[in-house]
Amino acid sequence: GENVEQHPSTLSVQEGDSAVIKCTYSDSASNYFPWYKQELGKRPQLIIDIRSNVGEKKDQRIAVTLNKTAKHFSLHITETQPEDSAVYFCAASKDSWGKLQFGAGTQVVVTP
Amino acid sequence: NAGVTQTPKFQVLKTGQSMTLQCAQDMNHEYMSWYRQDPGMGLRLIHYSVGAGITDQGEVPNGYNVSRSTTEDFPLRLLSAAPSQTSVYFCASTDTGLAYEQYFGPGTRLTVT
Repeated sequence: GENVEQHPSTLSVQEGDSAVIKCTYSDSASNYFPWYKQELGKRPQLIIDIRSNVGEKKDQRIAVTLNKTAKHFSLHITETQPEDSAVYFCAASKDSWGKLQFGAGTQVVVTP
Repeated sequence: NAGVTQTPKFQVLKTGQSMTLQCAQDMNHEYMSWYRQDPGMGLRLIHYSVGAGITDQGEVPNGYNVSRSTTEDFPLRLLSAAPSQTSVYFCASTDTGLAYEQYFGPGTRLTVT
């Protein structure tokens, strides 16, 4: 089955700097790659997603890039703010609404 | 719209007890799923359903049962609780229209002693 690896497990950045989280997947049939943000004690919430027919997608300060050949995708957060502190999860799926295989998560801490 | 709701929010069980975690959604989503979240392991799929009357196993199904008699409800049953089932459980439903977003419930924190 699909295996998703996520790095780093923790990331500490200064406010205003950029943060990058990387994920690799094993199943070349995967075609949907969402990113979720989970604040402490809360439920995961979708922040951005990308499909395999697109190489890059941007939404304000966050962007996701996908390299199908290398089977990896990345989340980029620019101009980080304290409210960006959370755990971020990547995931992969063979069908957009189907089973998601999650990475282990990245704890992002933005220090003022 | 209440979205995805889960009850209870917290539960403590003794080893060997059984219980049902409730999940309901009012968005008319066909696809629903159950995950467990353990520290350092992300979210792991337990069971999922692609519509009423249809369920299937995910990555970690052992010790859990599900049923889907209606579109709205997707309960998760622990047959005989074990300490290894101590976890936070999330139910989710998926918009299978244009967005494909998976909406999570608020979670149930379960402790098995």
